[in-house]
Amino acid sequence: NAGVTQTPKFQVLKTGQSMTLQCAQDMNHNSMYWYRQDPGMGLRLIYYSASEGTTDKGEVPNGYNVSRLNKREFSLRLESAAPSQTSVYFCASSASGVNSPLHFGNGTRLTVT
Amino acid sequence: GIQVEQSPPDLILQEGANSTLRCNFSDSVNNLQWFHQNPWGQLINLFYIPSGTKQNGRLSATTVATERYSLLYISSSQTTDSGVYFCAVVNSGNTPLVFGKGTRLSVIA
Repeated sequence: NAGVTQTPKFQVLKTGQSMTLQCAQDMNHNSMYWYRQDPGMGLRLIYYSASEGTTDKGEVPNGYNVSRLNKREFSLRLESAAPSQTSVYFCASSASGVNSPLHFGNGTRLTVT
Repeated sequence: GIQVEQSPPDLILQEGANSTLRCNFSDSVNNLQWFHQNPWGQLINLFYIPSGTKQNGRLSATTVATERYSLLYISSSQTTDSGVYFCAVVNSGNTPLVFGKGTRLSVIA
């Protein structure tokens, strides 16, 4: 099983450009999450989807939008990238909300110049 | 919101040594998870442990929720244990996981 798959692995954007980070899981999980990881800041939640058809803001949602396309896929969109969004982005999933183990994808390293 | 403190922030071990990593939290929790981030950046779930003790090979974890802490034990450490160890907690209901800042472990051959 692939688990949680993220694309792309690396991306460089210029300020103001837009892009979508893709995430898919093949574990039939109900809940999906987007985190960003910055040096010294640990992992911070951007948005999550507790179940298909629902999305909610996390700790740092400004500048991002999400789409839960179906049960398998959860995308993260940057409409107008800023240097402050330079980070490593992780998608994760869990079987059923926060009280089940969380499984991460391999991450996307994004640089905004 | 809930605060999660991990200690020590950095740890260097000789291969074969044992270690204990600590996670303190400021409020009651519904669940707690431990993760390992390897030097290539991959995050692996080690334990889902809201209370009690679990073991997986050389690793074991204990959570004492009433005293607001969890411990991760690594025995006979190997160089492949290097990386950053995170704990994460759920404070109440369905509020999302809150992560600590991690303990960076370096195991030297």
